[in-house]
Amino acid sequence: KNEVEQSPQNLTAQEGEFITINCSYSVGISALHWLQQHPGGGIVSLFMLSSGKKKHGRLIATINIQEKHSSLHITASHPRDSAVYICASTKETSGSRLTFGEGTQLTVNP
Amino acid sequence: NAGVTQTPKFQVLKTGQSMTLQCAQDMNHNSMYWYRQDPGMGLRLIYYSASEGTTDKGEVPNGYNVSRLNKREFSLRLESAAPSQTSVYFCASNRDRGRYEQYFGPGTRLTVT
Repeated sequence: KNEVEQSPQNLTAQEGEFITINCSYSVGISALHWLQQHPGGGIVSLFMLSSGKKKHGRLIATINIQEKHSSLHITASHPRDSAVYICASTKETSGSRLTFGEGTQLTVNP
Repeated sequence: NAGVTQTPKFQVLKTGQSMTLQCAQDMNHNSMYWYRQDPGMGLRLIYYSASEGTTDKGEVPNGYNVSRLNKREFSLRLESAAPSQTSVYFCASNRDRGRYEQYFGPGTRLTVT
């Protein structure tokens, strides 16, 4: 079992829909990261959180430390949100090294 | 600021050839990382450098060497390329050990035939 598991692996939505991507981790972490990888390949950090909730524009990330679970929500989705979304954890014992989930391929159709 | 830059963007090697992937950051970050990304496997850490003058192995270091040339530059060398090293390679950096977000370079797509 991977230390970081994401679901779903693939997600197709219609423009305007509310989207949720889930991430579960199995060991204690110091931080949880959400990254976005566009079709061109570049990777951008969206959020880093260790508790509660963060919001940036239409993106919201939440984390529940007790349940070892995080979610990434996209409100009013748009075709330009189509990308791979990657969850990654920083373990308490490994400094700033990241352990990655396999990613969720999101396609938003107009 | 250019952020994290990588060269080359694409490379094709024959089995047994050697090459060095270059990475530089202009954000005065202490920590730098090399990852590879393969379909179905996600990103995996090859080597990292927590600070200038130090390097450590990650999950998949075999077949690779690294050099932290100075605070800005962190290179990855393949001494004798193998088809299993066909992958997309990303360099990343962050401010320091601990809970800091990482900044990624644009990637190098390497094919070994």
